[in-house]
Amino acid sequence: GNSVTQMEGPVTLSEEAFLTINCTYTATGYPSLFWYVQYPGEGLQLLLKATKADDKGSNKGFEATYRKETTSFHLEKGSVQVSDSAVYFCALSGQYTGGFKTIFGAGTRLFVKA
Amino acid sequence: DTGVSQNPRHKITKRGQNVTFRCDPISEHNRLYWYRQTLGQGPEFLTYFQNEAQLEKSRLLSDRFSAERPKGSFSTLEIQRTEQGDSAMYLCASSVRDRGLYEQYFGPGTRLTVT
Repeated sequence: GNSVTQMEGPVTLSEEAFLTINCTYTATGYPSLFWYVQYPGEGLQLLLKATKADDKGSNKGFEATYRKETTSFHLEKGSVQVSDSAVYFCALSGQYTGGFKTIFGAGTRLFVKA
Repeated sequence: DTGVSQNPRHKITKRGQNVTFRCDPISEHNRLYWYRQTLGQGPEFLTYFQNEAQLEKSRLLSDRFSAERPKGSFSTLEIQRTEQGDSAMYLCASSVRDRGLYEQYFGPGTRLTVT
């Protein structure tokens, strides 16, 4: 079946450090891949997406590249800020997930210290 | 604000009571989804509608759960005879097909606490 596995948290970094959150997936067909972010007390927000192999999604300094050969979609940011502290969810959706429903990973909590 | 809205935002109920949540999607979005998120986990799919038709239900959706979207606009999720295990955040999302992709927009969620 379709599934998403992401690295366990929490991840604790100092401000301006480099961030990587690993995400791998198992999917039928060719899903679209997403990163969502959930700030404390708020709902899910789409951070970035990629719809086909080798696409790079980017937003707010975050990037992730759709790697079909390694079935991965790792999230990176060159210099994190305290305001990036949140929970990050890797997800997939597509024709073979049934109605294009979204399948999420368990989430990775990021703490950024000043 | 034209995003997805959910009401109430918080609900505390005693075990055995019935509760109903409402979701108002983005207008013109023909698909509406319900998810459940428990602490420390990612959201899990419950059910989805295309217009007023409920097309898929997860096995997570026991017979105590029922969802409707009577006119293809807002949706309600009812839980009968609530149990403590129903305590979770219930998320609604809506989407419309755009260049082959159904990008989902999520509401803020309804947090249910069953005591």
